[in-house]
Amino acid sequence: KAGVTQTPRYLIKTRGQQVTLSCSPISGHRSVSWYQQTPGQGLQFLFEYFSETQRNKGNFPGRFSGRQFSNSRSEMNVSTLELGDSALYLCASSLRLSSTDTQYFGPGTRLTVL
Amino acid sequence: AQSVTQLDSQVPVFEEAPVELRCNYSSSVSVYLFWYVQYPNQGLQLLLKYLSGSTLVKSINGFEAEFNKSQTSFHLRKPSVHISDTAEYFCAVSDRDTDKLIFGTGTRLQVFP
Repeated sequence: KAGVTQTPRYLIKTRGQQVTLSCSPISGHRSVSWYQQTPGQGLQFLFEYFSETQRNKGNFPGRFSGRQFSNSRSEMNVSTLELGDSALYLCASSLRLSSTDTQYFGPGTRLTVL
Repeated sequence: AQSVTQLDSQVPVFEEAPVELRCNYSSSVSVYLFWYVQYPNQGLQLLLKYLSGSTLVKSINGFEAEFNKSQTSFHLRKPSVHISDTAEYFCAVSDRDTDKLIFGTGTRLQVFP
């Protein structure tokens, strides 16, 4: 079974631009979560989607948004990029929306904002 | 809200020595506990998890962790480390109320020959 894939792997943008990141979960997984990883803050939860609906949201500004499609693939969008948005963005999928389910992580998209 | 504390940001150790990576969480009410490992330039992989039952859980590569409710801790241990264990280790907690997975800031384990 293929693992979680994320595209693109690397992105360089400038302040004020917007960006869209994509995540394809493991086949059969219906839950997709997004995290922001930075050296100082560690992993911060962004949001979780299940069956095309956002089920959980972290403490991030409205510039961060996401969606999930009927095939469980997910995208996240960041508008009006700031320097502080530079980070590794990780996507994780799991079978169900459950706190006991193992989350399987993709390799991440490294976003650099100049 | 749940929080996770990993007191050690870096742990240097020589090969074949024992190691303990510490993890404390804020509340013991209905929590599930996880350790994830991140090798360089890769995503996170589940190492082991505690859901219920025996408080000692083990991974296939020799790591183990013990759920201690009274001390709200879930420390990760290995009796003898290998160079290939060099990685960043994240402790995480989720609870039945929010379903969110809350991560600690990570501990970088560096194993020297």
